[in-house]
Amino acid sequence: AQSVTQLGSHVSVSEGALVLLRCNYSSSVPPYLFWYVQYPNQGLQLLLKYTSAATLVKGINGFEAEFKKSETSFHLTKPSAHMRDAAEYFCAVRSNAGGTSYGKLTFGQGTILTVHP
Amino acid sequence: NAGVTQTPKFQVLKTGQSMTLQCAQDMNHEYMSWYRQDPGMGLRLIHYSVGAGITDQGEVPNGYNVSRSTTEDFPLRLLSAAPSQTSVYFCASSGDGYIYGYTFGSGTRLTVV
Repeated sequence: AQSVTQLGSHVSVSEGALVLLRCNYSSSVPPYLFWYVQYPNQGLQLLLKYTSAATLVKGINGFEAEFKKSETSFHLTKPSAHMRDAAEYFCAVRSNAGGTSYGKLTFGQGTILTVHP
Repeated sequence: NAGVTQTPKFQVLKTGQSMTLQCAQDMNHEYMSWYRQDPGMGLRLIHYSVGAGITDQGEVPNGYNVSRSTTEDFPLRLLSAAPSQTSVYFCASSGDGYIYGYTFGSGTRLTVV
């Protein structure tokens, strides 16, 4: 079964600092990976996705993520944090296995990003 | 373009009551899922569907029922509500193919007392 693990349930940065949110995946086949963001009291919004076309993926709001097969990682970064980036971020993997798991989206436990002025 | 619509947005139930959370999408998506979100546990899959008439269990299906009679609708039924089902519930849909992410509704906040 495919899964993702997010390292660090809380990350705190200063405004203008680098944002790094960690995600590692477990998959026996090439995975399809996603990052979502959830602002307080809202639903989830897709930030970016990796579908094997390119290892460095750019998303919305200045975020990007790099797929590293050798490290089984898909970390999310942003060069300079803004106050408006404060939210919870979720890494997810979409199953490409056959059978009843086909198409399922499985989430990590989430990382809450706090941005200090 | 409404996307994924969930109703109601808030609900309070008494233990033992039943109810249905509604989910509708207007994007002709084949895949639909229900998740519950609890603090520190991320989103856990309850049930999902790969098309009309086809459903399967997710990670935490106990106490919940689903059916998918049309492409557009995917209701979630709580059979006999328990305080452990207090949570925020999200419905999501996706087109066919791995390149697609899921589109999420705005959620239903359910409290069981």
